[in-house]
Amino acid sequence: DSGVTQTPKHLITATGQRVTLRCSPRSGDLSVYWYQQSLDQGLQFLIQYYNGEERAKGNILERFSAQQFPDLHSELNLSSLELGDSALYFCASSVDQGSAGNTIYFGEGSWLTVV
Amino acid sequence: GQQLNQSPQSMFIQEGEDVSMNCTSSSIFNTWLWYKQDPGEGPVLLIALYKAGELTSNGRLTAQFGITRKDSFLNISASIPSDVGIYFCAGRYSGTYKYIFGTGTRLKVLA
Repeated sequence: DSGVTQTPKHLITATGQRVTLRCSPRSGDLSVYWYQQSLDQGLQFLIQYYNGEERAKGNILERFSAQQFPDLHSELNLSSLELGDSALYFCASSVDQGSAGNTIYFGEGSWLTVV
Repeated sequence: GQQLNQSPQSMFIQEGEDVSMNCTSSSIFNTWLWYKQDPGEGPVLLIALYKAGELTSNGRLTAQFGITRKDSFLNISASIPSDVGIYFCAGRYSGTYKYIFGTGTRLKVLA
């Protein structure tokens, strides 16, 4: 158990709908990362937050948005969903202070299926 | 999206054999991480490397941070069936906060 908690584990929704994925980082971790993994693909970086502020942005679609709250949990919002958005969405966290803080730990993922 | 070059893409090996895989980058990295992912689950951290030349072991796994800081290697000795899975490298370079992931090495072990 990495200590990173993601909900829901599985989600099935229709095209055009909007969903919210939730992530609680490991205790003490200030950074939260979101990654997307499509079937048999690698991990695509979406976005990173550090202590409530956006720190780095990857290939995140405009239909997607995220935020990190004062209690450090994060939400990834996916709107106007398309079939191609079906994927595993991972949250990861790190302390992000010093070398050891550069290590990131992943949650179990939220499996999104758009039908 | 941006990704590291990881090889080989897949490997079929006999139980008991040693395995080697590597990742290369066009950028100089200050951190290399190695993960193992089982189907439908999150990547699990195996080894973290923070200095050029660093060699770190975790049981039968050994990873090295390349001297040029543009590559890293992972070796698995005496493979067993539970080593099956996808192995990812990830790197982070100076001046950025995000991690870039390799394309993965799919390992299958034949008993």
